[in-house]
Amino acid sequence: ETGVTQTPRHLVMGMTNKKSLKCEQHLGHNAMYWYKQSAKKPLELMFVYSLEERVENNSVPSRFSPECPNSSHLFLHLHTLQPEDSALYLCASSQDRARGLGEVGELFFGEGSRLTVL
Amino acid sequence: AQSVTQLGSHVSVSEGALVLLRCNYSSSVPPYLFWYVQYPNQGLQLLLKYTSAATLVKGINGFEAEFKKSETSFHLTKPSAHMSDAAEYFCAVRRGSTLGRLYFGRGTQLTVWP
Repeated sequence: ETGVTQTPRHLVMGMTNKKSLKCEQHLGHNAMYWYKQSAKKPLELMFVYSLEERVENNSVPSRFSPECPNSSHLFLHLHTLQPEDSALYLCASSQDRARGLGEVGELFFGEGSRLTVL
Repeated sequence: AQSVTQLGSHVSVSEGALVLLRCNYSSSVPPYLFWYVQYPNQGLQLLLKYTSAATLVKGINGFEAEFKKSETSFHLTKPSAHMSDAAEYFCAVRRGSTLGRLYFGRGTQLTVWP
């Protein structure tokens, strides 16, 4: 079982559709993240959940709605998106508390969900 | 504030040549620094990380990076490029006091010619 699994890998949707992206981590981590990767732009941190509580929301439009029902699962609900929302959406997880020296909370990424909005 | 700058959005080398990908950081506190690699249609994979234990860090696939505080740099090198090294490489710095929040550079696309 790979560490962080994202589904679907590819999604095409119209501007009026409602869809969801799913992420599952099997690493025992307690923090999960959504990043957006667009062409010619730096990776953008969208949301952070720590211990299932949303701790960061970087001015993301309300048409993106995250959900974290438990420490292993993270969803990104999509509604009335725009063509400029087309991108690769990456999920990541980490251990968000130091367990000892050398624990640096590196991120483990899924393979991403490639979203195209028509 | 913490940030990273990757110099050169594209780097091309011949197979067997030295790979040098540049990263400079700004940080108000001693940083944790990372290099990630992304192959086409995949997520990001950790290559190596600097945690202040040693200034020369060895990673996977023959890559290494040296932390130079005086130059605020963390450049990634590999002595001999292989065709399979063609990918996009991202430098990142830990942002804030919480462990997992990373700030990424814009990435450098590495092309390896036969």
